[in-house]
Amino acid sequence: QKEVEQNSGPLSVPEGAIASLNCTYSDRGSQSFFWYRQYSGKSPELIMFIYSNGDKEDGRFTAQLNKASQYVSLLIRDSQPSDSATYLCAVNKRAAGNKLTFGGGTRVLVKP
Amino acid sequence: NAGVMQNPRHLVRRRGQEARLRCSPMKGHSHVYWYRQLPEEGLKFMVYLQKENIIDESGMPKERFSAEFPKEGPSILRIQQVVRGDSAAYFCASSPPAGVDEQFFGPGTRLTVL
Repeated sequence: QKEVEQNSGPLSVPEGAIASLNCTYSDRGSQSFFWYRQYSGKSPELIMFIYSNGDKEDGRFTAQLNKASQYVSLLIRDSQPSDSATYLCAVNKRAAGNKLTFGGGTRVLVKP
Repeated sequence: NAGVMQNPRHLVRRRGQEARLRCSPMKGHSHVYWYRQLPEEGLKFMVYLQKENIIDESGMPKERFSAEFPKEGPSILRIQQVVRGDSAAYFCASSPPAGVDEQFFGPGTRLTVL
């Protein structure tokens, strides 16, 4: 079982719609959860982080965390073509030295 | 530029040569991490350093790879006797002093081994 799992996609979303991305993790000791966006040939860009159960909103992005289900998600509202990228879920367990463990990423395509 | 800086951005080496990748963290950040992204694969942690200390090197290959973060100057990831399988994107990330988990990535170094 992979430590962090994501559906590789591609997730095809019409412009203006909501994109819903999911991520599951195996280590119950995970404490911090991150979403990065990576455009092809570029470096990961931090877009959201969440530490506590529930929802966290930042602009068009909402992260949701459910530690009991070991599940974290990202919603992108009013999707734009510029949102087309690979979205990486990452988790951190501070006791393990602050390293990030990444999922394989979900490719999102927003079609005009 | 207040972001994480990496150089060179592209590096071409022949098999058997040495590769040196440099990373300067964001201003005010004292923690540096190196990650590798192989073609069509995910990001994998390699090493976590603070000034003059290696905190966690659990992701580093046992041979040919080393990293340092000296008191003065950038962090260096060194790959000796490169092989074609070392061709990848190497990313450096930095974070503020302890208590903040967020890591910010540099632009990466694309290493190609001929």
